[in-house]
Amino acid sequence: AQSVTQLGSHVSVSEGALVLLRCNYSSSVPPYLFWYVQYPNQGLQLLLKYTTGATLVKGINGFEAEFKKSETSFHLTKPSAHMSDAAEYFCAVSLVGRGGKLIFGQGTELSVKP
Amino acid sequence: GAGVSQSPSNKVTEKGKDVELRCDPISGHTALYWYRQSLGQGLEFLIYFQGNSAPDKSGLPSDRFSAERTGGSVSTLTIQRTQQEDSAVYLCASSSSKKMTGVQNTEAFFGQGTRLTVV
Repeated sequence: AQSVTQLGSHVSVSEGALVLLRCNYSSSVPPYLFWYVQYPNQGLQLLLKYTTGATLVKGINGFEAEFKKSETSFHLTKPSAHMSDAAEYFCAVSLVGRGGKLIFGQGTELSVKP
Repeated sequence: GAGVSQSPSNKVTEKGKDVELRCDPISGHTALYWYRQSLGQGLEFLIYFQGNSAPDKSGLPSDRFSAERTGGSVSTLTIQRTQQEDSAVYLCASSSSKKMTGVQNTEAFFGQGTRLTVV
C-alpha cells in the first residue's frame, strides 16, 4: 500500500528565504506525485504534479519539486518566499495504472515572517 | 457546472441525527473521492469510487458512515447517528478517466467542502 510522509507539520521562514517542504512516499509501483496548497478558508488547489518524463517539475507561483526515485522523495521548493505563500501544503501520491486512489500526507503549514 | 460542487456548504446538526452530504463531480469524471479534514489535521481518506468498480471503502471510520454514487455521477455521503467527533470539513474530489485524457487520474479537482458541526 502506498503512503506519504511529510516531515514537519509546521515550517516557518523569513520573507525572501528559501522554502523547502519535505515529502517522502512509499509505493510498490511507479507513483504519480502531487503537491496541493490550501489557503486559509479555501479549497485545495493543485500546485504541481509528476507523472512521467522530466523529474524536475515546475508549478504555479514559482514552486517546483523534484522526483528522486532513489530517495523516494518529492520535496517542494521555492527560492524566495513571499508573504502570500503562507498556507497549508499537502503532498499526495497515486498509483500508476492501479485505479489511482489519491493518498495525502498530513500537511505542512508554512508561515512566512516579514 | 465547471467545477466540483458540494452541498450544503455548512451543516449544523444535533448529536444523534443523520446527515447527508452531496457531491456533484465534474461532468465525465469517473473517479470520485471523499475526504475528511478535521481542525489541525490532514486529509483523511474516506472512500473512493472509480467507474463501475466496487468502491474502496477502506477509509470509512465506522459503520455509521456510508456513501453511494448514482449513475456514475452524483455522490452522497451519509453519516448516521452523528457524534461530536464527526465535526469536520468533508471534501469531495473528482478526476478524469483514461478515456478522456489518455492518462488515468493525473489530477484531482476539489470542491469547497461541507463544514459539518455536530452539537
